[in-house]
Amino acid sequence: QKEVEQDPGPLSVPEGAIVSLNCTYSNSAFQYFMWYRQYSRKGPELLMYTYSSGNKEDGRFTAQVDKSSKYISLFIRDSQPSDSATYLCAMSARGGGNKLTFGTGTQLKVEL
Amino acid sequence: GAVVSQHPSWVICKSGTSVKIECRSLDFQATTMFWYRQFPKQSLMLMATSNEGSKATYEQGVEKDKFLINHASLTLSTLTVTSAHPEDSSFYICSGGTGADTQYFGPGTRLTVL
Repeated sequence: QKEVEQDPGPLSVPEGAIVSLNCTYSNSAFQYFMWYRQYSRKGPELLMYTYSSGNKEDGRFTAQVDKSSKYISLFIRDSQPSDSATYLCAMSARGGGNKLTFGTGTQLKVEL
Repeated sequence: GAVVSQHPSWVICKSGTSVKIECRSLDFQATTMFWYRQFPKQSLMLMATSNEGSKATYEQGVEKDKFLINHASLTLSTLTVTSAHPEDSSFYICSGGTGADTQYFGPGTRLTVL
């Protein structure tokens, strides 16, 4: 079993839709949770960074962490074609500047 | 955010040759640099972690004699793929860490070994 599981998609939604992306994990030592966006042939870009359980909102993006269920989510409101990318969840036991364990990424396409 | 550059952005080489990839933090000092490898439609897999002036720590299954990492300064790390073979063809991404919370990724280098 992989430490981090993420549905690879692809996920196709119409413009303006609410998108829900999810990851599950098995390592209870993970305390720090991140969502990265990666465009084709580019490096990952940090979108959201959370510590422990709870919600965090930044513009159209909301990250949720449920440590009791070992489940994290990223919600994108009012999705735009420019949101089309691969979204990677990542986790760490000791902070985002340390070793990260990534999910496989979910490919998202937002269509006009 | 902080900027990390990689050079070259893509490289094609013959089997058996060595390839060096540079990773630079342009506007910050990276106390730790990480090297990842990403195969098509797969996640980033950490290869090694390096701290400036010390030997790199390699992940299980990564051959340290094949993937040579040098972290000569707080702004430069290099990855050398020695005696490259077609199975080494991949997307190599570096990142620089400034502390416990943050890690900035480079744009990646696509290596194709013929």
